[in-house]
Amino acid sequence: GAVVSQHPSWVICKSGTSVKIECRSLDFQATTMFWYRQFPKQSLMLMATSNEGSKATYEQGVEKDKFLINHASLTLSTLTVTSAHPEDSSFYICSARPLEGGWDTDTQYFGPGTRLTVL
Amino acid sequence: AQSVSQHNHHVILSEAASLELGCNYSYGGTVNLFWYVQYPGQHLQLLLKYFSGDPLVKGIKGFEAEFIKSKFSFNLRKPSVQWSDTAEYFCAVGDSGYSTLTFGKGTMLLVSP
Repeated sequence: GAVVSQHPSWVICKSGTSVKIECRSLDFQATTMFWYRQFPKQSLMLMATSNEGSKATYEQGVEKDKFLINHASLTLSTLTVTSAHPEDSSFYICSARPLEGGWDTDTQYFGPGTRLTVL
Repeated sequence: AQSVSQHNHHVILSEAASLELGCNYSYGGTVNLFWYVQYPGQHLQLLLKYFSGDPLVKGIKGFEAEFIKSKFSFNLRKPSVQWSDTAEYFCAVGDSGYSTLTFGKGTMLLVSP
């Protein structure tokens, strides 16, 4: 199936530093990519929706200045957690919706997630 | 705003038992419905989806789900589970424009051999 990768798979950082997480669609171009956050034993919460070449749309309650999203190409979106604090520790998951090319354009394909721990 | 409710947080079954996981949603308009599965250590994968047409949807690995509009439900079923079905199952709802998904809290299924 359509493959979405995330890098890194886990990261530990000090409080106050910034962390960048990459999301790539490996075998398809994505018109839209989504960023989710998952707390332990809870559901995925949508943080933002990004479209290539335009500003991301953030969900209510998500600080856009803290969670910077850049969708530089049809295969890459990045999430930067700026000035990270321990409460930002979480599991961040991206998904991508195919533009075309034989993949199901109505389906979101998910990456494996990135575990962020802020000390 | 959409919301999704999954009735069971944990389900434990023996192999060959039948499975039904409940999912109810709250949304006033036309919806698209999904079930995703997350096997231990793996990413979310699509099991099945409903957009329109036959309300009984068949997915991969022998799973099916039935959309009952009057009950705002989209329950997942499998007649005979296997140990390899041990995973977490998420129900999700997308609006008709399919701009975003709202997920339920997930149900952890443990199948004992």
